[in-house]
Amino acid sequence: DPKIIQKPKYLVAVTGSEKILICEQYLGHNAMYWYRQSAKKPLEFMFSYSYQKLMDNQTASSRFQPQSSKKNHLDLQITALKPDDSATYFCASSQDRWGGYEQYFGPGTRLTVL
Amino acid sequence: AQSVTQPDARVTVSEGASLQLRCKYSYSGTPYLFWYVQYPRQGLQLLLKYYSGDPVVQGVNGFEAEFIKSNSSFHLRKASVHWSDSAVYFCAVSTGGNNKLTFGQGTVLSVIP
Repeated sequence: DPKIIQKPKYLVAVTGSEKILICEQYLGHNAMYWYRQSAKKPLEFMFSYSYQKLMDNQTASSRFQPQSSKKNHLDLQITALKPDDSATYFCASSQDRWGGYEQYFGPGTRLTVL
Repeated sequence: AQSVTQPDARVTVSEGASLQLRCKYSYSGTPYLFWYVQYPRQGLQLLLKYYSGDPVVQGVNGFEAEFIKSNSSFHLRKASVHWSDSAVYFCAVSTGGNNKLTFGQGTVLSVIP
């Protein structure tokens, strides 16, 4: 059974619209993360959460908003979508937020913005 | 801030040959080092990790890596590759303060039967 679920697997959106990417982990972890992988850039860290609190935010834009309704959920809301937002977004989790704890990744959501 | 360099964008080897994928990091303190593999249309899977102790760490599927502090390197090795090892390999580093992973650009490995 998959331990980290991301929904949807594929997503097509129009410029200016808003989408929510879903992530649920069933590993009992306390820390969750979002990363982005695009054709232009390598995997880049976006956010980290620990016990549902934002720990680190490396995104320059407020259009990206993580939302944690439960300890094992970390959704990503993206507003005013732009073509440059097209990428695969990966959710990850680890036992704790301190350096060295291995992170487990979900299968990703591939977002295409037209 | 930390950074990771994987100097080889693509590596092609014949099945059964040995493999080394290079990784160099930049960080003034003690890093936590990882190798991940990404198969087509899949997420990342952890191959191995280094925290401390023996600088040669063993991972899954016969992979190993050696941490050489003096060279700031963490190269990945395998004695004999299989066609199923064809994938993209990422080296990553995190630090003690938080668990943000900084990735290299990745190396595309192609194994020729």
